[in-house]
Amino acid sequence: DIQMTQSPSSLSASVGDRVTITCRASQSITTYLNWYHQRPGSAPKLLIYAASSLHTGVPSRFSGSGSGTDFTLTISSLKPEDSATYYCQQSYSGRTFGQGTKVEVK
Amino acid sequence: EVQIVETGGGMIQPAGSLRLSCAVSGFIVSGNYMSWVRQAPGKGLEWVSGIYSGGNVHYSDSVKGRFTISRDNSKNTVYLQMTSLRAEDTGVYYCASAKGAGDGSDIWGQGTLVTVSS
Repeated sequence: DIQMTQSPSSLSASVGDRVTITCRASQSITTYLNWYHQRPGSAPKLLIYAASSLHTGVPSRFSGSGSGTDFTLTISSLKPEDSATYYCQQSYSGRTFGQGTKVEVK
Repeated sequence: EVQIVETGGGMIQPAGSLRLSCAVSGFIVSGNYMSWVRQAPGKGLEWVSGIYSGGNVHYSDSVKGRFTISRDNSKNTVYLQMTSLRAEDTGVYYCASAKGAGDGSDIWGQGTLVTVSS
């Protein structure tokens, strides 16, 4: 099975900061990598698919990059509504989620 | 309107069985990759099972042999039959849809809570 490892597990940043979350796969998944965020009490929402494609309606401050085993989600200018837990997910072989990164906006 | 509604959750004793339903409107389940994802209280997301448009199914190691995913095209509904339930199966179960097997899941239901406890 493919394992996904995210870092950091949590972070706290200020409005307007640039934030980066990394995700590493235990084997190459080419670009079969998706990013979601989830607010408490709500279902996850798709942000990025195929490593770098922005899902419809997602603000352009979100971006994704990477291929193979190493991937990055970047929020270019943090907003208060970005407080959430962020998950990466591989869809190369079955599905596996990373353990999540909790983002707090100060 | 595109919508997913999960039902069937509840409290069940260990070793018991439960069937979850995922009713879809606005698109055809047989044309998409449908999956079940669960979240234990206070924990992260865990993919449980998926069914491809062609009918192939797959499971996480933690539920293989105990859970069965299926779909009824006439009802546009996906099911998750859960047997031999354990306390660690407790959580919110989400149904999600992706356009293709390798795509991100862009449509999610609101989830249904399963509690396994004596």
